[in-house]
Amino acid sequence: GQNIDQPTEMTATEGAIVQINCTYQTSGFNGLFWYQQHAGEAPTFLSYNVLDGLEEKGRFSSFLSRSKGYSYLLLKELQMKDSASYLCAVRGGTGDYKLSFGAGTTVTVRA
Amino acid sequence: DTAVSQTPKYLVTQMGNDKSIKCEQNLGHDTMYWYKQDSKKFLKIMFSYNNKELIINETVPNRFSPKSPDKAHLNLHINSLELGDSAVYFCASSPPRTSGRSSYEQYFGPGTRLTVT
Repeated sequence: GQNIDQPTEMTATEGAIVQINCTYQTSGFNGLFWYQQHAGEAPTFLSYNVLDGLEEKGRFSSFLSRSKGYSYLLLKELQMKDSASYLCAVRGGTGDYKLSFGAGTTVTVRA
Repeated sequence: DTAVSQTPKYLVTQMGNDKSIKCEQNLGHDTMYWYKQDSKKFLKIMFSYNNKELIINETVPNRFSPKSPDKAHLNLHINSLELGDSAVYFCASSPPRTSGRSSYEQYFGPGTRLTVT
């Protein structure tokens, strides 16, 4: 089975940095994804990590440690539009591209 | 526009009815998915088709039946609707496995909010 944990809520100030942690215990591992979902909208892809280390993409970075079953999404220079839910998802090892999602972390950016 | 589209966007119906949700993608992808997102925002896979073949079939009541007439379409039919079926249903697609790293990304449709009364 899959067990993916992430905090329920986080609040930060505009311009600040926020780090969203995700820990996972899965049967097989073929990559970890971060998705952003604004209220009432579809999830949109942010990042993908399959090897250990940091992947940077503009203001967003994602880190993976496979030995620790741990990832984080780092959001820098927070903007009001970054207020959304951030979903951590793990692709298992069955080769069927199945993604198992965490419950999501709601980030609120305050002025 | 190239995208994953779903119809209808909103669906309100009574218990016991049968309803269908349609999904189409014009991205040239060969794998499509149905997810259910409940009131707690938990996104859970239901089904997946690859080139019209069912490859993921999670523990879902058999009142739910997916149909893929071709690899660009994946419809979801629900029989005898129950109150607990109320949720947002997302369709998604992903590129062919030969696309390399980008084949892992899933593109989501706008969702269908189903309310059963």
